[in-house]
Amino acid sequence: NAGVTQTPKFQVLKTGQSMTLQCAQDMNHEYMSWYRQDPGMGLRLIHYSVGAGITDQGEVPNGYNVSRSTTEDFPLRLLSAAPSQTSVYFCASSRAGRGPMNEQFFGPGTRLTVL
Amino acid sequence: GQQLNQSPQSMFIQEGEDVSMNCTSSSIFNTWLWYKQDPGEGPVLLIALYKAGELTSNGRLTAQFGITRKDSFLNISASIPSDVGIYFCAGHNNDKIIFGKGTRLHILP
Repeated sequence: NAGVTQTPKFQVLKTGQSMTLQCAQDMNHEYMSWYRQDPGMGLRLIHYSVGAGITDQGEVPNGYNVSRSTTEDFPLRLLSAAPSQTSVYFCASSRAGRGPMNEQFFGPGTRLTVL
Repeated sequence: GQQLNQSPQSMFIQEGEDVSMNCTSSSIFNTWLWYKQDPGEGPVLLIALYKAGELTSNGRLTAQFGITRKDSFLNISASIPSDVGIYFCAGHNNDKIIFGKGTRLHILP
C-alpha cells in the first residue's frame, strides 16, 4: 500500500492564481482531512470529509474548497491564492470509528509558496 | 478559540536520558493523540488515548490521559538518536481537533 499520497510536493503560485492540491489514499478509509502547518504553529484543520459526497469545514476554511467524489480522493482547491496561504499542506485519512480526525495517517505534504 | 499549551517548546538531552513533555487545555477532550514529525515528512501517530486516567505504552513511549480530561503527557525512556524530531499532542472531540505547537527534541552526541 502507498498509504496517503500528495501531489505536487512543491508549488509556487502568484497571487490570484488558482490550483488544486491532490490527495489520494489506498487504505479504503472513510475519513479524510486537510491541514495547514505554519512555522511555530500546530496543524490547523481546513476541511474534512466523512465519506464520498460529504464534506465539512474545519477551523480555517476560508479561501479553500473541497469535494469528495470517491472514497480514495480528496482534492483541495485554492480559488484565488493569497500570500497568507503560503504554508505546508497535509492530507490525512482514517478509518470510521471514533471520530473523523482520530488516528490519522498523514501524507508527506505539499509545500506551497504564494508570491 | 480552543488552544493547547504544549511544553516544553524544545529540549536538549543526552542520548540515554528519559524525556517528558505535556499538553494542557482549558477544554475537555474525549481523545488525546500524540504524533511525531520528522523533517520534511507528515506526522506519524505514536499513541492514542481514549479514557481519563488511561496509561498506554508503545515500546519506550508511555502516554497518559489526564484525570480531568484537560491534559496529557508523553514520556520517552532511554532516548536514542532516532527519537529526534517534533512531537505534537492533539485533543479530539467529535468534529474538532486541536494540535499543540510541538516539542522539538534534540539529542546531543
